[in-house]
Amino acid sequence: GAGVSQSPSNKVTEKGKDVELRCDPISGHTALYWYRQSLGQGLEFLIYFQGNSAPDKSGLPSDRFSAERTGGSVSTLTIQRTQQEDSAVYLCASSLAVGRATYEQYFGPGTRLTVT
Amino acid sequence: GQQVMQIPQYQHVQEGEDFTTYCNSSTTLSNIQWYKQRPGGHPVFLIQLVKSGEVKKQKRLTFQFGEAKKNSSLHITATQTTDVGTYFCAGLRSGAGSYQLTFGKGTKLSVIP
Repeated sequence: GAGVSQSPSNKVTEKGKDVELRCDPISGHTALYWYRQSLGQGLEFLIYFQGNSAPDKSGLPSDRFSAERTGGSVSTLTIQRTQQEDSAVYLCASSLAVGRATYEQYFGPGTRLTVT
Repeated sequence: GQQVMQIPQYQHVQEGEDFTTYCNSSTTLSNIQWYKQRPGGHPVFLIQLVKSGEVKKQKRLTFQFGEAKKNSSLHITATQTTDVGTYFCAGLRSGAGSYQLTFGKGTKLSVIP
């Protein structure tokens, strides 16, 4: 079946502009995560959605970052007034659930964001 | 908050040598997952360990979960160039109905042919 898809694959934007990054999780996956990965670095957790529960936004670096998940499926990560330090690969992942029986996360190919 | 530390950050080995990466948590984990990210790719799930002292093998890869469920290791025997990539552990901490999955910063493995 189809995996996690993300769009766009690459995005170049000017400093100060807003960007929207999209994630289509695997059908039926109730958990959805956003991560940021700077060049050669580890995974920085941003936000996590689980079913109808309130999202865990504890990883968002500033109030310029926000995310939505509509209808429990597609998610959009929005970065307002982009800064050069926002340049990174933004990875989305989904899994069946998070709980006592944690399931593996399936990652999308990522969106490479470059802020000029 | 929970921290998951991975060491070493980088490892260069000659093809055929063994490789080990270690993952340590400041708190007891419910389970731990390992992922591999090839250069230019995205992380791919390798395995999950749940039980205290658990050991699992996948061909040349051996995964261990510590008795106290605070540390884990991934050992690769006789590395090959196909093993190149960054290996991440991710620890799950649960309590009072909440769950937090935290990734380590990864160990980047280079294999010299």
